[in-house]
Amino acid sequence: GAVVSQHPSWVICKSGTSVKIECRSLDFQATTMFWYRQFPKQSLMLMATSNEGSKATYEQGVEKDKFLINHASLTLSTLTVTSAHPEDSSFYICSATRTPYNSPLHFGNGTRLTVT
Amino acid sequence: KNEVEQSPQNLTAQEGEFITINCSYSVGISALHWLQQHPGGGIVSLFMLSSGKKKHGRLIATINIQEKHSSLHITASHPRDSAVYICAVKGGIQFYFGTGTSLTVIP
Repeated sequence: GAVVSQHPSWVICKSGTSVKIECRSLDFQATTMFWYRQFPKQSLMLMATSNEGSKATYEQGVEKDKFLINHASLTLSTLTVTSAHPEDSSFYICSATRTPYNSPLHFGNGTRLTVT
Repeated sequence: KNEVEQSPQNLTAQEGEFITINCSYSVGISALHWLQQHPGGGIVSLFMLSSGKKKHGRLIATINIQEKHSSLHITASHPRDSAVYICAVKGGIQFYFGTGTSLTVIP
């Protein structure tokens, strides 16, 4: 089956530093990738949708200068949390889908970010 | 109001019981997804539906487009089914997520 690899699975960083999270589709071309954030005991919150080769579309309330998303190839999207603060600590998950647009979603295993 | 409502929020069942999780939505959709999230955080897509019914092993998912409602059934539940089940709908280019149903199956 389709596999999405997300790296790192956990990261601890100091306040003010930036952290990059990678999401790779290993055996299919992901034309669209989604980034989510999940707070403890809550459901997924969609942050942004990225299509290969174009700028990401951010959900309302998500700061695009804070959460930089790059989808430069059909197999890789990255989320960079810039100038991280403790309130950015969360579980970040990516998912990827291939065309046609109603194809199944394939999820990464998530990244636990802790900002100290 | 949430575009996707799930019920129940929490569910505890004895091993072997038949389980139903419900999902109602208020937007026009092109597809509905049932997702399973285990305690470690990883998410697995169980079903993608646009009409009718799908079955995979002990899992059955149904959708009624007219009533804007979907159900996920688990037959002969097992402790390994313990997880959070999330309903997600795709309306246009937008995804909407339910708040999840936390299922615990007791041996």
